Amino acid sequence: DGGITQSPKYLFRKEGQNVTLSCEQNLNHDAMYWYRQDPGQGLRLIYYSQIVNDFQKGDIAEGYSVSREKKESFPLTVTSAQKNPTAFYLCASSIGGASGSGETQYFGPGTRLLVL
Amino acid sequence: SQKIEQNSEALNIQEGKTATLTCNYTNYSPAYLQWYRQDPGRGPVFLLLIRENEKEKRKERLKVTFDTTLKQSLFHITASQPADSATYLCALGTGGFKTIFGAGTRLFVKA
Repeated sequence: DGGITQSPKYLFRKEGQNVTLSCEQNLNHDAMYWYRQDPGQGLRLIYYSQIVNDFQKGDIAEGYSVSREKKESFPLTVTSAQKNPTAFYLCASSIGGASGSGETQYFGPGTRLLVL
Repeated sequence: SQKIEQNSEALNIQEGKTATLTCNYTNYSPAYLQWYRQDPGRGPVFLLLIRENEKEKRKERLKVTFDTTLKQSLFHITASQPADSATYLCALGTGGFKTIFGAGTRLFVKA
């Protein structure tokens, strides 16, 4: 089955700690995205990657970092600089590519991050 | 400023009726508009995409309209069923990789 997986489902962060959220896809998509969802708000884009070894900041990148060393994987690190990290984090992918766009995104099941 | 608005109040309808959800936007010129379904605690699922030069798109019981003059999209679910109960997200694409999502409208279909 093709799809996107995210792990863990729930993650707890202590003060001053960096945590990494995993996202893997086997859809052979070039583009991948990280969004943050807070109650009553739309999804907000943290980072996106059009193609392997390249990524761009989204609207709320401060306090987050990513890497894209493999086509299938786009991990997100929530650093201690992110002062309000409690949220539902969603990873997505789309066909993308150098001349592509962000249409028709496929989402993972999400990771809920809570602060202890 | 740029804004995308969906009804924040939940929509309650009776099974078998048509549900109509609204998405309004300001200060965008979208190349396309998408609708996604999201169930509680899960990721959104893509439903339909309509481009700026299309007026209407259908898929089974779903219909989307797109009026670039009114800056509005309407999303209809005909013959609604309790299984259609979910949050529906509107999303604008400007042609690049950034997609702007609305906060969503919660739909409850009563049996």
